[in-house]
Amino acid sequence: QQQVKQSPQSLIVQKGGISIINCAYENTAFDYFPWYQQFPGKGPALLIAIRPDVSEKKEGRFTISFNKSAKQFSLHIMDSQPGDSATYFCAASRVGDMRFGAGTRLTVKP
Amino acid sequence: NAGVTQTPKFQVLKTGQSMTLQCAQDMNHNSMYWYRQDPGMGLRLIYYSASEGTTDKGEVPNGYNVSRLNKREFSLRLESAAPSQTSVYFCASSELSTGAGGYTFGSGTRLTVV
Repeated sequence: QQQVKQSPQSLIVQKGGISIINCAYENTAFDYFPWYQQFPGKGPALLIAIRPDVSEKKEGRFTISFNKSAKQFSLHIMDSQPGDSATYFCAASRVGDMRFGAGTRLTVKP
Repeated sequence: NAGVTQTPKFQVLKTGQSMTLQCAQDMNHNSMYWYRQDPGMGLRLIYYSASEGTTDKGEVPNGYNVSRLNKREFSLRLESAAPSQTSVYFCASSELSTGAGGYTFGSGTRLTVV
């Protein structure tokens, strides 16, 4: 069973718009929640991460919102750009065990 | 600064053949991981090594073995390849076994088993 559920599977956004990707997790032992960005033919790269004692973290145009009671977290990409077109993975981690969502393919149209 | 280096980048195997995927990191990280990536399933953990000298099973270990050769190197072996093992394999490393600070991934090995 998938421990981290991610939606939507794909997302198309106009340049300048807001991209929102949602994730939900089951295991309350997870204590670190990163987002990874992957371009075709490359490995995933860490984009931004949050710990459960914080409800929001912002880095530039990227923001994670975290709801511990609902066991949900989301990635917001403000002012989306064509260069943001990639596959995004949420993840939840504890010692030696990082579980990934199935991924969201984001396309930002110029 | 190489980061995590995986070899080979591409490989085609016949069913029943064996092979070893190599991974090396130059960041002095303690923990290393092997994942497989399949369409619609994200990345699934095969094995991990929290520190030199230790290895543990992940989510999908069947059909695989690993060796943490030293702090830098972590190899993945397929003893008898099956078509179900067709996938893209990623090696990753992290400074901490908790994953805090994130994983650094290699560029992957695309494996096809025919």
